[in-house]
Amino acid sequence: EVQLVQSGAEVKKSGESLTISCKASGYLFDTYWITWVRQMPGKRLEWMGMIDPNDSNRKYSPSFNGHVSISADRSVSTVYLQWSSLRASDTAMYYCARVAGLYKYCTDGLCSLSGGYFDTWGQGTPVTVSS
Amino acid sequence: DIVLTQTPLSLSVTPGQAASISCKSSQRLLHSDGRTYLYWYLQKPGQSPQLLIYEVSSRFSGVPDRFSGSGSGTDFTLRISRVEADDAGVYYCMQGKNLPPYTFGQGTKLEI
Repeated sequence: EVQLVQSGAEVKKSGESLTISCKASGYLFDTYWITWVRQMPGKRLEWMGMIDPNDSNRKYSPSFNGHVSISADRSVSTVYLQWSSLRASDTAMYYCARVAGLYKYCTDGLCSLSGGYFDTWGQGTPVTVSS
Repeated sequence: DIVLTQTPLSLSVTPGQAASISCKSSQRLLHSDGRTYLYWYLQKPGQSPQLLIYEVSSRFSGVPDRFSGSGSGTDFTLRISRVEADDAGVYYCMQGKNLPPYTFGQGTKLEI
């Protein structure tokens, strides 16, 4: 069974650093990108970024680029989401998900990605940041 | 970024009735590869989102055939033919045409 199991709830203060995790099982870890999605209280889903565990190629949303970092450790089939300096506005539920159906197109050495649906989700990690 | 607008934002239906949710995109979602990258998810209360439909109209594994997706260009629809109590939650459309970023609609809350 494909599973993504996330780390537990976090309570932090503004300015602190934080790393949350997403451990994959039930499939070949290297063969699917993993993505992170934010959901602020009562709000819509927001895509943050994703990583290819095979080569650590990353794509970030412009809205989150520079504020978070995504990494992967193939030895433990785990993807991480990191903040170096939290803000109160980072208070949210964070989900990881596996990306399937992703297509890669390359022309003259330049490659782009299209498609990709999130077929398996973690249970979510609630993060609370106080000011 | 591509903006997705869902209507209605909330919907109340009786079990056995049909329900439809619209998702309109600010840009055409047809890729040059011939695929259209529009997806539908359901987030039940207190749960993680779950995939219902991919590439406009393909049902994900285990999704009942009461759920169907249609549309093209910039206009897409999710239809539930006979709503059941377990269908309650928030439905989101998502696009993945040119990455990054993926973008989601604002969500439609379905009450049974």
